[in-house]
Amino acid sequence: EAQVTQNPRYLITVTGKKLTVTCSQNMNHEYMSWYRQDPGLGLRQIYYSMNVEVTDKGDVPEGYKVSRKEKRNFPLILESPSPNQTSLYFCASSFSMTRRETQYFGPGTRLLVL
Amino acid sequence: GENVEQHPSTLSVQEGDSAVIKCTYSDSASNYFPWYKQELGKRPQLIIDIRSNVGEKKDQRIAVTLNKTAKHFSLHITETQPEDSAVYFCAAPDTGRRALTFGSGTRLQVQP
Repeated sequence: EAQVTQNPRYLITVTGKKLTVTCSQNMNHEYMSWYRQDPGLGLRQIYYSMNVEVTDKGDVPEGYKVSRKEKRNFPLILESPSPNQTSLYFCASSFSMTRRETQYFGPGTRLLVL
Repeated sequence: GENVEQHPSTLSVQEGDSAVIKCTYSDSASNYFPWYKQELGKRPQLIIDIRSNVGEKKDQRIAVTLNKTAKHFSLHITETQPEDSAVYFCAAPDTGRRALTFGSGTRLQVQP
């Protein structure tokens, strides 16, 4: 089944404790992206990747890191989480942004930083 | 970069009525305008999109219209049903960044 998966789905952590949210897709998509969703603000892009080893900042990259060592995986790293990073996070992928392809979203990760 | 504004933020209609959600965008080079639906607790999913070479596209009860001159596009849902209740997001490409910029979302509630 073609899908985007994320883990964990729910996470409660404390300020400053490094964490990683994994994202994986099995559709051989080139483009992957991370968004955060906050009430009234819609979906804001954190980072995106056009292909392996090619990443770039989105609208709200501060406090986040990403890597793209393999085509299927695009982990989101919070080196020192803070309470303002409490949010719902979505990973998404598409074949290629240049073709204006449909973006497929993962199930979401709800993060609470205390 | 692209700026997308979406209105209204909430919309309540009676079952069977029509619903219209409007978005404006700033990047005149944008040429692709998707709409995503997010049901409660679920992920956003594409429901319809339109490209700049057409002015309207329909798929059963949903339609999207595009006015490139005015830089706005709209989602129209006719004969609304309770299962249409969800948050709807419009989006437009940020041609400089090769990314999609999303609107802030519209929460549609269809009253039975």
